[in-house]
Amino acid sequence: GQQLNQSPQSMFIQEGEDVSMNCTSSSIFNTWLWYKQDPGEGPVLLIALYKAGELTSNGRLTAQFGITRKDSFLNISASIPSDVGIYFCAGYLDQETSGSRLTFGEGTQLTVNP
Amino acid sequence: KAGVTQTPRYLIKTRGQQVTLSCSPISGHRSVSWYQQTPGQGLQFLFEYFSETQRNKGNFPGRFSGRQFSNSRSEMNVSTLELGDSALYLCASSLEGRSVQPQHFGDGTRLSIL
Repeated sequence: GQQLNQSPQSMFIQEGEDVSMNCTSSSIFNTWLWYKQDPGEGPVLLIALYKAGELTSNGRLTAQFGITRKDSFLNISASIPSDVGIYFCAGYLDQETSGSRLTFGEGTQLTVNP
Repeated sequence: KAGVTQTPRYLIKTRGQQVTLSCSPISGHRSVSWYQQTPGQGLQFLFEYFSETQRNKGNFPGRFSGRQFSNSRSEMNVSTLELGDSALYLCASSLEGRSVQPQHFGDGTRLSIL
């Protein structure tokens, strides 16, 4: 079953606002990935995090790998209408012998009102 | 460079039939993973192939199988289709399936079972 708790499930914001979402787990992850999925398409990689404490930015997006290795957050600054979509956190569990099985959060549905 | 390509994009089948889905990874990527995405269960790992061998397997029944060819292209087969198999099937590739290598997804095959 699902081992990643992602929150919030949905967000309704005004254009220009900042957004924050996070994922937590009772298990240790050695990699955290953040994806965005638009309707009818596959998930697109936004940010990859490989070390505890790592803070990485990609344009208006910033993500951090929690110190405990059991959580991660994604921030979007100055949201725009094209930020609409479903955001997923995903990771490789520390006990996995290979980096081939991603565990996914339930997703955060983001709606941006112009 | 070209991304992950999945064919067909849409399929409609009836219960009891079998289906084969195809995935061409990013050039140079040797690891191919398959996921099932449904509204109720989210994204669930099916299996991973590397160097023509199944290296990792999720918790799906034996009706779900796959294979990988020498050019790293992969196929997934589902036999004796059930209504609950209706889902978006996503393929993802990475260089070698290591935990420091993120997976890149195709746009999926939407399978509908009537």
